[in-house]
Amino acid sequence: DAGVIQSPRHEVTEMGQEVTLRCKPISGHDYLFWYRQTMMRGLELLIYFNNNVPIDDSGMPEDRFSAKMPNASFSTLKIQPSEPRDSAVYFCASSVRGTSAYEQYFGPGTRLTVT
Amino acid sequence: AQSVTQLGSHVSVSEGALVLLRCNYSSSVPPYLFWYVQYPNQGLQLLLKYTSAATLVKGINGFEAEFKKSETSFHLTKPSAHMSDAAEYFCAVSGGNFNKFYFGSGTKLNVKP
Repeated sequence: DAGVIQSPRHEVTEMGQEVTLRCKPISGHDYLFWYRQTMMRGLELLIYFNNNVPIDDSGMPEDRFSAKMPNASFSTLKIQPSEPRDSAVYFCASSVRGTSAYEQYFGPGTRLTVT
Repeated sequence: AQSVTQLGSHVSVSEGALVLLRCNYSSSVPPYLFWYVQYPNQGLQLLLKYTSAATLVKGINGFEAEFKKSETSFHLTKPSAHMSDAAEYFCAVSGGNFNKFYFGSGTKLNVKP
C-alpha cells in the first residue's frame, strides 16, 4: 500500500497568495483528517471528513481556510489569502471505521512557508 | 471530554538506559490510547495502541506501554534506548467519538552516546 500521499512536500509562497495542499488517503479508508503542526501550538486538528462529508471543522482557524473532499481518493486544503502566521507543517491522515480502533495513518506532511 | 498531558517536553537518556515517557489522560468514557513517533521531517507513525484488551501493550521497536486506569496513565517505556530512538513522541486519546484524536504536546527524546 502506498500510504497517505501529500503534495507538495514543500511550499514557499508570498503573503496574500493562494495556497492549495493536496492529499490522497489510503484506498478504502473512509475518514480523512487535516492537521497543522507548529512549535507554538503543537498538533491541531483542523477538519475531518467521513465518506467525503465534512463532519467537524471547528478547528479551522478562520474563513481564509477551506477544505474539500470531492471524492474518496482526494482532498484539498486551501488558504486564501495566505499570511506568514500560516507557516506550519500540514498533515493529512486517514482511517477506516470499525477496525484497529480507528488508528490514523499520517502522510509525510507539507511544509508551508509564507513570506 | 478527552485530553492528554505529556510530562516533560524534552527527555534525555544515555544509550542503553531505560526510556520512560509519561502520558496522563482525561476521558469521560473508556478511552482508546495511542503512542505515535515522529522522526525529523516525517509524518507520525503508530507505535502502539490500547483498545481495552490487555493493559500491557507491546509495540514496534521494543516499546511498550501500560494502561493504568486508577492513575489515568499510559506511560511509554523501552528497557534499553538506542540512538535510532531519538525522535518526538506523541500520546493521543480518543473516546466517545473514536474518530477524533486528542494529541498531547509531544516529548522529544534525545539519546546520548
